[in-house]
Amino acid sequence: NAGVTQTPKFQVLKTGQSMTLQCAQDMNHEYMSWYRQDPGMGLRLIHYSVGAGITDQGEVPNGYNVSRSTTEDFPLRLLSAAPSQTSVYFCASSYSILHRDYGYTFGSGTRLTVV
Amino acid sequence: AQRVTQPEKLLSVFKGAPVELKCNYSYSGSPELFWYVQYSRQRLQLLLRHISRESIKGFTADLNKGETSFHLKKPFAQEEDSAMYYCALIYQTGANNLFFGTGTRLTVIP
Repeated sequence: NAGVTQTPKFQVLKTGQSMTLQCAQDMNHEYMSWYRQDPGMGLRLIHYSVGAGITDQGEVPNGYNVSRSTTEDFPLRLLSAAPSQTSVYFCASSYSILHRDYGYTFGSGTRLTVV
Repeated sequence: AQRVTQPEKLLSVFKGAPVELKCNYSYSGSPELFWYVQYSRQRLQLLLRHISRESIKGFTADLNKGETSFHLKKPFAQEEDSAMYYCALIYQTGANNLFFGTGTRLTVIP
Protein backbone atom coordinates (compact mmCIF):
# COMPACT_ATOMS: atom_id res chain seq x y z
CA ASN A 1 0.00 0.00 0.00
CA ALA A 2 1.20 3.51 -0.80
CA GLY A 3 -0.68 5.05 2.15
CA VAL A 4 -1.11 8.81 1.69
CA THR A 5 0.58 10.31 -1.36
CA GLN A 6 1.12 14.05 -1.77
CA THR A 7 2.32 15.90 -4.84
CA PRO A 8 4.31 17.99 -5.48
CA LYS A 9 6.98 17.77 -2.76
CA PHE A 10 8.22 21.30 -3.40
CA GLN A 11 6.65 24.31 -5.07
CA VAL A 12 7.52 27.97 -5.50
CA LEU A 13 4.71 30.34 -6.42
CA LYS A 14 4.53 34.01 -7.16
CA THR A 15 2.08 36.13 -5.19
CA GLY A 16 -1.34 35.93 -6.80
CA GLN A 17 -0.82 32.64 -8.57
CA SER A 18 -3.12 29.70 -7.93
CA MET A 19 -2.29 26.04 -7.63
CA THR A 20 -3.62 22.71 -6.41
CA LEU A 21 -1.87 20.43 -3.95
CA GLN A 22 -2.77 16.82 -4.60
CA CYS A 23 -3.50 14.18 -1.96
CA ALA A 24 -4.53 10.58 -2.52
CA GLN A 25 -4.94 7.62 -0.16
CA ASP A 26 -5.45 3.96 -0.93
CA MET A 27 -6.63 2.76 2.48
CA ASN A 28 -10.33 3.39 1.90
CA HIS A 29 -10.29 5.93 4.73
CA GLU A 30 -13.45 7.97 5.07
CA TYR A 31 -11.81 10.93 6.81
CA MET A 32 -9.23 13.18 5.15
CA SER A 33 -7.77 16.51 6.18
CA TRP A 34 -5.21 19.17 5.33
CA TYR A 35 -2.84 20.82 7.79
CA ARG A 36 -0.23 23.50 7.54
CA GLN A 37 2.89 23.30 9.69
CA ASP A 38 4.60 26.51 10.73
CA PRO A 39 7.51 26.98 13.17
CA GLY A 40 6.31 27.50 16.72
CA MET A 41 2.68 26.93 15.78
CA GLY A 42 2.47 23.20 15.34
CA LEU A 43 0.02 21.84 12.81
CA ARG A 44 -3.18 23.72 12.17
CA LEU A 45 -6.22 22.25 10.48
CA ILE A 46 -7.21 23.93 7.19
CA HIS A 47 -10.09 21.81 5.84
CA TYR A 48 -11.39 18.34 6.39
CA SER A 49 -13.77 15.83 4.86
CA VAL A 50 -15.72 13.04 6.55
CA GLY A 51 -16.57 11.34 3.27
CA ALA A 52 -16.96 11.79 -0.46
CA GLY A 53 -19.00 14.89 -1.25
CA ILE A 54 -18.66 16.33 2.27
CA THR A 55 -16.14 18.99 3.26
CA ASP A 56 -15.88 21.50 6.09
CA GLN A 57 -13.61 24.24 7.37
CA GLY A 58 -10.96 23.78 10.00
CA GLU A 59 -9.09 26.37 12.05
CA VAL A 60 -7.42 28.32 9.23
CA PRO A 61 -9.50 27.93 6.03
CA ASN A 62 -9.13 31.40 4.51
CA GLY A 63 -7.47 31.40 1.10
CA TYR A 64 -7.97 27.68 0.54
CA ASN A 65 -10.62 25.53 -1.14
CA VAL A 66 -11.15 21.79 -1.12
CA SER A 67 -13.38 19.23 -2.77
CA ARG A 68 -13.92 15.51 -2.27
CA SER A 69 -15.40 13.91 -5.36
CA THR A 70 -14.00 10.44 -4.55
CA THR A 71 -13.03 8.61 -1.37
CA GLU A 72 -9.40 8.47 -2.52
CA ASP A 73 -8.64 12.09 -3.47
CA PHE A 74 -8.71 15.33 -1.50
CA PRO A 75 -7.04 18.21 -3.37
CA LEU A 76 -6.28 21.55 -1.73
CA ARG A 77 -6.52 24.66 -3.89
CA LEU A 78 -4.80 27.94 -3.20
CA LEU A 79 -6.92 30.58 -4.88
CA SER A 80 -4.50 33.51 -4.93
CA ALA A 81 -1.21 32.73 -3.22
CA ALA A 82 0.12 35.10 -0.58
CA PRO A 83 3.48 35.09 1.24
CA SER A 84 1.61 34.21 4.46
CA GLN A 85 0.79 30.87 2.86
CA THR A 86 4.45 29.88 2.78
CA SER A 87 4.41 26.71 4.84
CA VAL A 88 4.67 22.95 4.81
CA TYR A 89 1.35 21.31 3.99
CA PHE A 90 0.38 17.86 5.19
CA CYS A 91 -2.50 15.71 4.09
CA ALA A 92 -3.79 13.06 6.48
CA SER A 93 -6.41 10.35 6.50
CA SER A 94 -8.06 8.10 9.05
CA TYR A 95 -10.93 5.76 9.60
CA SER A 96 -14.37 7.08 10.39
CA ILE A 97 -15.38 8.65 13.65
CA LEU A 98 -16.38 5.22 14.84
CA HIS A 99 -12.66 4.41 15.00
CA ARG A 100 -11.29 7.77 16.04
CA ASP A 101 -8.82 6.14 18.42
CA TYR A 102 -6.86 4.63 15.53
CA GLY A 103 -5.02 7.84 14.75
CA TYR A 104 -4.05 9.39 11.44
CA THR A 105 -1.78 8.46 8.54
CA PHE A 106 0.13 11.41 7.11
CA GLY A 107 1.55 12.19 3.72
CA SER A 108 5.16 13.27 3.26
CA GLY A 109 4.27 16.94 2.92
CA THR A 110 4.51 19.72 0.35
CA ARG A 111 6.90 22.56 1.03
CA LEU A 112 5.40 25.68 -0.51
CA THR A 113 7.14 29.01 -0.86
CA VAL A 114 5.27 32.10 -2.04
CA VAL A 115 7.47 34.95 -3.23
CA ALA B 1 -8.68 28.34 22.66
CA GLN B 2 -5.52 26.33 23.22
CA ARG B 3 -6.66 22.75 23.37
CA VAL B 4 -3.24 21.16 23.73
CA THR B 5 -0.28 22.79 25.46
CA GLN B 6 3.30 21.67 25.16
CA PRO B 7 5.21 24.10 27.36
CA GLU B 8 8.71 23.26 26.11
CA LYS B 9 9.65 24.21 22.57
CA LEU B 10 13.13 22.73 23.00
CA LEU B 11 14.39 19.98 25.28
CA SER B 12 17.93 18.64 25.45
CA VAL B 13 19.00 15.60 27.43
CA PHE B 14 22.11 13.47 27.51
CA LYS B 15 22.11 9.96 26.11
CA GLY B 16 21.03 7.51 28.78
CA ALA B 17 19.20 10.14 30.83
CA PRO B 18 15.45 10.01 31.45
CA VAL B 19 13.28 12.20 29.30
CA GLU B 20 9.81 13.61 29.87
CA LEU B 21 7.92 15.66 27.32
CA LYS B 22 5.01 17.49 28.85
CA CYS B 23 1.52 17.75 27.43
CA ASN B 24 -1.57 19.26 28.99
CA TYR B 25 -4.98 19.50 27.44
CA SER B 26 -8.10 21.52 28.08
CA TYR B 27 -11.26 19.49 27.66
CA SER B 28 -13.86 18.52 30.22
CA GLY B 29 -14.69 15.22 28.54
CA SER B 30 -12.54 12.22 27.66
CA PRO B 31 -10.56 12.92 24.50
CA GLU B 32 -8.55 10.47 22.48
CA LEU B 33 -4.92 11.41 23.02
CA PHE B 34 -1.91 10.72 20.86
CA TRP B 35 1.78 11.39 20.55
CA TYR B 36 3.16 11.85 17.05
CA VAL B 37 6.83 12.01 16.15
CA GLN B 38 8.53 13.62 13.17
CA TYR B 39 12.13 12.60 12.52
CA SER B 40 14.30 14.82 10.37
CA ARG B 41 12.94 15.05 6.80
CA GLN B 42 10.28 12.41 7.46
CA ARG B 43 6.52 12.48 7.70
CA LEU B 44 4.67 12.49 10.99
CA GLN B 45 4.26 9.06 12.50
CA LEU B 46 1.95 7.89 15.19
CA LEU B 47 4.02 7.03 18.25
CA LEU B 48 1.44 6.28 20.93
CA ARG B 49 -2.31 6.12 21.47
CA HIS B 50 -3.47 6.50 25.02
CA ILE B 51 -6.23 3.96 24.56
CA SER B 52 -3.80 1.16 23.75
CA ARG B 53 -1.58 1.77 26.80
CA GLU B 54 1.37 0.41 24.85
CA SER B 55 5.09 1.11 24.95
CA ILE B 56 6.67 2.05 21.64
CA LYS B 57 10.45 2.46 21.26
CA GLY B 58 10.64 2.54 25.06
CA PHE B 59 8.23 5.48 25.34
CA THR B 60 5.14 5.43 27.51
CA ALA B 61 2.45 7.99 28.22
CA ASP B 62 -0.14 7.93 30.96
CA LEU B 63 -3.36 9.86 30.85
CA ASN B 64 -3.95 11.78 34.08
CA LYS B 65 -7.50 13.07 33.93
CA GLY B 66 -7.17 14.94 37.23
CA GLU B 67 -4.25 16.98 35.94
CA THR B 68 -5.46 16.81 32.32
CA SER B 69 -2.00 15.70 31.29
CA PHE B 70 -0.54 13.12 28.92
CA HIS B 71 3.21 13.37 29.42
CA LEU B 72 5.54 11.25 27.30
CA LYS B 73 8.33 9.46 29.14
CA LYS B 74 11.33 7.30 28.42
CA PRO B 75 13.74 6.08 31.10
CA PHE B 76 16.90 6.10 28.96
CA ALA B 77 17.13 8.45 25.99
CA GLN B 78 18.88 7.33 22.80
CA GLU B 79 20.42 9.50 20.08
CA GLU B 80 17.85 8.21 17.58
CA ASP B 81 15.11 9.72 19.74
CA SER B 82 16.10 13.19 18.57
CA ALA B 83 13.02 14.47 16.75
CA MET B 84 10.01 16.75 16.92
CA TYR B 85 7.26 15.43 19.16
CA TYR B 86 3.64 16.52 18.97
CA CYS B 87 0.89 15.83 21.44
CA ALA B 88 -2.57 15.77 19.87
CA LEU B 89 -6.16 15.05 20.73
CA ILE B 90 -9.46 14.13 19.15
CA TYR B 91 -12.63 15.11 20.92
CA GLN B 92 -15.02 12.43 22.08
CA THR B 93 -17.86 13.81 19.96
CA GLY B 94 -18.17 15.55 16.65
CA ALA B 95 -15.91 15.23 13.64
CA ASN B 96 -12.74 13.21 13.75
CA ASN B 97 -10.50 16.28 13.84
CA LEU B 98 -7.03 15.97 15.32
CA PHE B 99 -5.76 19.05 17.16
CA PHE B 100 -2.06 19.44 17.78
CA GLY B 101 0.10 21.14 20.34
CA THR B 102 2.95 23.36 19.17
CA GLY B 103 5.50 20.58 19.50
CA THR B 104 8.70 19.94 21.44
CA ARG B 105 12.01 19.43 19.69
CA LEU B 106 13.98 16.83 21.59
CA THR B 107 17.74 16.68 21.16
CA VAL B 108 19.65 13.79 22.71
CA ILE B 109 23.27 14.74 23.29
CA PRO B 110 25.79 11.92 22.80
